[in-house]
Amino acid sequence: AQKITQTQPGMFVQEKEAVTLDCTYDTSDPSYGLFWYKQPSSGEMIFLIYQGSYDQQNATEGRYSLNFQKARKSANLVISASQLGDSAMYFCAMRDKDQGAQKLVFGQGTRLTINP
Amino acid sequence: NAGVTQTPKFRILKIGQSMTLQCAQDMNHNYMYWYRQDPGMGLKLIYYSVGAGITDKGEVPNGYNVSRSTTEDFPLRLELAAPSQTSVYFCASSPGGWNYEQFFGPGTRLTVL
Repeated sequence: AQKITQTQPGMFVQEKEAVTLDCTYDTSDPSYGLFWYKQPSSGEMIFLIYQGSYDQQNATEGRYSLNFQKARKSANLVISASQLGDSAMYFCAMRDKDQGAQKLVFGQGTRLTINP
Repeated sequence: NAGVTQTPKFRILKIGQSMTLQCAQDMNHNYMYWYRQDPGMGLKLIYYSVGAGITDKGEVPNGYNVSRSTTEDFPLRLELAAPSQTSVYFCASSPGGWNYEQFFGPGTRLTVL
């Protein structure tokens, strides 16, 4: 069974608009962590934001925020005021005790394109 | 700090050849990982290590081997390369701890013809 599901293969957004990238996860472990990474066309993996399952507040890092809905098992990434440089692949990933050794399971990604 | 470094950046192999992908980190991280990323897909874990001398299989280990003789280095060995191993390979490291992210190297693009 898929542990991480990203249902949007591609998204197109106008510059300066906000965008939400969807991520749902599946785990029976009460302790888990959720991560978002950005992969620009140059190929490197860039860490964006982390949310722990026991964190009371949604994580924020600059223009990035995580809309964490625990009961729905969703951890959507919100990018405010999108910029051309936000065009990239975005991956959601999860760590839980099933993974052990701090391993991550990645979703298949969403390709975000920002139009001028 | 250089972070996580990988060599080579690109490589073309013929079917049946072998090679070693190098990975090094200078952050004194205990945990290291090898992933492969096929076109348009997410990352899949090949092997990982929780410290020098300790390695274990990930989701897709067949056709690969690893070793971890030092904290800094975690090479990935491909024996008898096959076209199915054409992929981009990422090495990553982590200090451990629940909320620490993995730090990724720049990747190695491998083509097997």
